[in-house]
Amino acid sequence: DAKTTQPTSMDCAEGRAANLPCNHSTISGNEYVYWYRQIHSQGPQYIIHGLKNNETNEMASLIITEDRKSSTLILPHATLRDTAVYYCIVRVANTGTASKLTFGTGTRLQVTL
Amino acid sequence: DTGVSQNPRHKITKRGQNVTFRCDPISEHNRLYWYRQTLGQGPEFLTYFQNEAQLEKSRLLSDRFSAERPKGSFSTLEIQRTEQGDSAMYLCASRHGTGNYGYTFGSGTRLTVV
Repeated sequence: DAKTTQPTSMDCAEGRAANLPCNHSTISGNEYVYWYRQIHSQGPQYIIHGLKNNETNEMASLIITEDRKSSTLILPHATLRDTAVYYCIVRVANTGTASKLTFGTGTRLQVTL
Repeated sequence: DTGVSQNPRHKITKRGQNVTFRCDPISEHNRLYWYRQTLGQGPEFLTYFQNEAQLEKSRLLSDRFSAERPKGSFSTLEIQRTEQGDSAMYLCASRHGTGNYGYTFGSGTRLTVV
């Protein structure tokens, strides 16, 4: 699976949009981009995933560049409860035995008043 | 269904003792994963089951580690002769076997070896 690069930490004011970037310049055509987050003392939580089209769900939006070498996770109105470590993961879909997630160190998002 | 359940939440053990953790996945999920997470790092893959078959093991899973999923439902992870370096959060996740569904993680078992 392709490696990803994320900033170590980011700050965001409550109520503002949080834009978390991720570089995955070696991504292959059959690899999806997944985002998870981990709130302190909890297990990672799935947020969203996409292949090449932009995606939106009740939690966030995922914007993937046309060349697919980078993506941005957008939390439209960040709240204090969004303070967490956010992981961007690239993974080949439906690969049978090779279906594990490979986590990096993620981006620590701090939402402040 | 309340999600993936892990027990115990915390475990403190003396070096050299054996410990066993349990994971109850979401009932209809046939794939189950174990991860380990140390402070400041992302989770690291340990092993993976599809139903009762253990299909992949990481190099991190030394001979002292063993995992089972006897009936394709709950799973156990045992660590024998624990060492201080085994201190970590042990996470379990499950998912549907087909499609690109997200993984559902439990809250983990925090192991402290003293």
